Amino acid sequence: GAVVSQHPSWVICKSGTSVKIECRSLDFQATTMFWYRQFPKQSLMLMATSNEGSKATYEQGVEKDKFLINHASLTLSTLTVTSAHPEDSSFYICSASSGGAWGTDTQYFGPGTRLTVL
Amino acid sequence: GDSVTQMEGPVTLSEEAFLTINCTYTATGYPSLFWYVQYPGEGLQLLLKATKADDKGSNKGFEATYRKETTSFHLEKGSVQVSDSAVYFCALSANTGFQKLVFGTGTRLLVSP
Repeated sequence: GAVVSQHPSWVICKSGTSVKIECRSLDFQATTMFWYRQFPKQSLMLMATSNEGSKATYEQGVEKDKFLINHASLTLSTLTVTSAHPEDSSFYICSASSGGAWGTDTQYFGPGTRLTVL
Repeated sequence: GDSVTQMEGPVTLSEEAFLTINCTYTATGYPSLFWYVQYPGEGLQLLLKATKADDKGSNKGFEATYRKETTSFHLEKGSVQVSDSAVYFCALSANTGFQKLVFGTGTRLLVSP
């Protein structure tokens, strides 16, 4: 089946620094990638949708200047948390689909990245 | 807005027991419904789905029926195995053509030998 990887699997950083998380589709071309955030004992919340070569579309309430998303190739999307603060500590999950955001293709999920901001 | 409610866990069962994980939803229109499973250290995997009322999704012995009258999509398995221990997420997609998934909080299943 389709495999999506994330790197790093966990990261600890100091408040005020920036952190980049990578999401890669290993064996298929991902036209669309999705970024989710999950707080403990809560559901996954969609943060943004990115299409290769286009600007990401952010969900209401998500600061686009704080969570920078780049989808420069069909196999790689990155999420950069800029000037991270302790409230940004969370579990970040990406998913990838070979269909467009308006298609019905299955989303394949990465294993997630645990971010802890001190 | 659209939402999914699923039972809190953990659900603890002995091997070969019957499993039910409840899931109800609130949505406008006619959403597609999904169950995803997350095994330890791995990403979410699609377990089964149903796209219209009365459809039954099934996979690996698990099944769920789309019940529009009760807005439910309960997950069932007749005989669980230790290897079924995982976190199960119920989700919906609003069928507007856009792939946005709305997830429940997840239910952890622990199966003991």
